[in-house]
Amino acid sequence: DAGVTQSPTHLIKTRGQQVTLRCSPKSGHDTVSWYQQALGQGPQFIFQYYEEEERQRGNFPDRFSGHQFPNYSSELNVNALLLGDSALYLCASSRRLAGVQTNYEQYFGPGTRLTVT
Amino acid sequence: AQKITQTQPGMFVQEKEAVTLDCTYDTSDQSYGLFWYKQPSSGEMIFLIYQGSYDEQNATEGRYSLNFQKARKSANLVISASQLGDSAMYFCAMREFTGANSKLTFGKGITLSVRP
Repeated sequence: DAGVTQSPTHLIKTRGQQVTLRCSPKSGHDTVSWYQQALGQGPQFIFQYYEEEERQRGNFPDRFSGHQFPNYSSELNVNALLLGDSALYLCASSRRLAGVQTNYEQYFGPGTRLTVT
Repeated sequence: AQKITQTQPGMFVQEKEAVTLDCTYDTSDQSYGLFWYKQPSSGEMIFLIYQGSYDEQNATEGRYSLNFQKARKSANLVISASQLGDSAMYFCAMREFTGANSKLTFGKGITLSVRP
């Protein structure tokens, strides 16, 4: 049973460029959340996708956008990269029962480390 | 707004001893969940333990237990019989149940180093 997978593992981009990060949820999970973790900080919630729609969003600018596919996998897109976007980007998957988020089954992937130069 | 506070500096513990990692939280909701995650240097967040706000007993998972004091809004993690592999960052997180949606709010984390 594969857990949450993310690609790529590492990425180096230049300011102003655009980047796409990918996430495949754990088998049986249908909800994907994305988090940004700056060095030395805790993860910050970016947004959550369920049924191919953004359901909840954290305090991040519109440069951050996402998508969820019918197979529940997800992409995080960041446009016009800034130096401050350098961080570990974590994807977490979970499952809803009757449309409601289950209590604690939220599993994280290994993350994508993005460096903006 | 919900908030998690982890103020301990780096923690050190001798192998085989117990250690307590502190976490306080702030929320106006009655229904919420508290989590502890371990993050080794590889970066992956590993779920350790969960406590629901209505759970009357403290959660336990193997060597991990959560000392939940609701009135004080604290949810400290106790690791018994520390092992060298326990050296990592530890994050306390809270989830509020807002309808069908959810997000985790994390603290800044605590670095734990286990000495042989």
